[in-house]
Amino acid sequence: GENVEQHPSTLSVQEGDSAVIKCTYSDSASNYFPWYKQELGKRPQLIIDIRSNVGEKKDQRIAVTLNKTAKHFSLHITETQPEDSAVYFCAAPNAGGTSYGKLTFGQGTILTVHP
Amino acid sequence: EPEVTQTPSHQVTQMGQEVILRCVPISNHLYFYWYRQILGQKVEFLVSFYNNEISEKSEIFDDQFSVERPDGSNFTLKIRSTKLEDSAMYFCASRTGLAGGSETQYFGPGTRLLVL
Repeated sequence: GENVEQHPSTLSVQEGDSAVIKCTYSDSASNYFPWYKQELGKRPQLIIDIRSNVGEKKDQRIAVTLNKTAKHFSLHITETQPEDSAVYFCAAPNAGGTSYGKLTFGQGTILTVHP
Repeated sequence: EPEVTQTPSHQVTQMGQEVILRCVPISNHLYFYWYRQILGQKVEFLVSFYNNEISEKSEIFDDQFSVERPDGSNFTLKIRSTKLEDSAMYFCASRTGLAGGSETQYFGPGTRLLVL
């Protein structure tokens, strides 16, 4: 099955700085990589995703890059704001003919943005 | 925008009791999931459900767990005899299964289960 590793486990930045979170995955057939933001006690909310036919996707201050050869993908947040403080999870679905899209999550990154 | 809903938001139960967690997926979605998250840990897959049957389950989803779609809107997770280690946040999720953006899973707000 899929194995997803996420680093760092905690990240502390000053407001306005950039933050980068990295994930690696094991199943080379995986073709979809979502990033979820989870605020304390709340549901995981999809913030951006990328499919394997592109190398980068951007949405305002958030971007995701994908390196299929190396099997890693990264979340980039620019001009961080205090409201970006949350836990961020990467995920990858099980691939293959019998897959029904089960997501395997990384361990999470606690991002703290200091004003 | 349609959302996945879950009830109750919190459930406290005694060890050995049965609990039923309820979910209403987004109406045109075809794939349904249960995940759990132990406090401070990552989200873990429990089970997926498609076409009125379980399509995949994890090793966590043992004989004490069952899922059901009793009608056209609800999707339930039953734990027959709860254990202390079942204490966690349980999330329901759903996705369309249709072409174009079909992979995106939308999560409900969760049910926090505490087993005493």
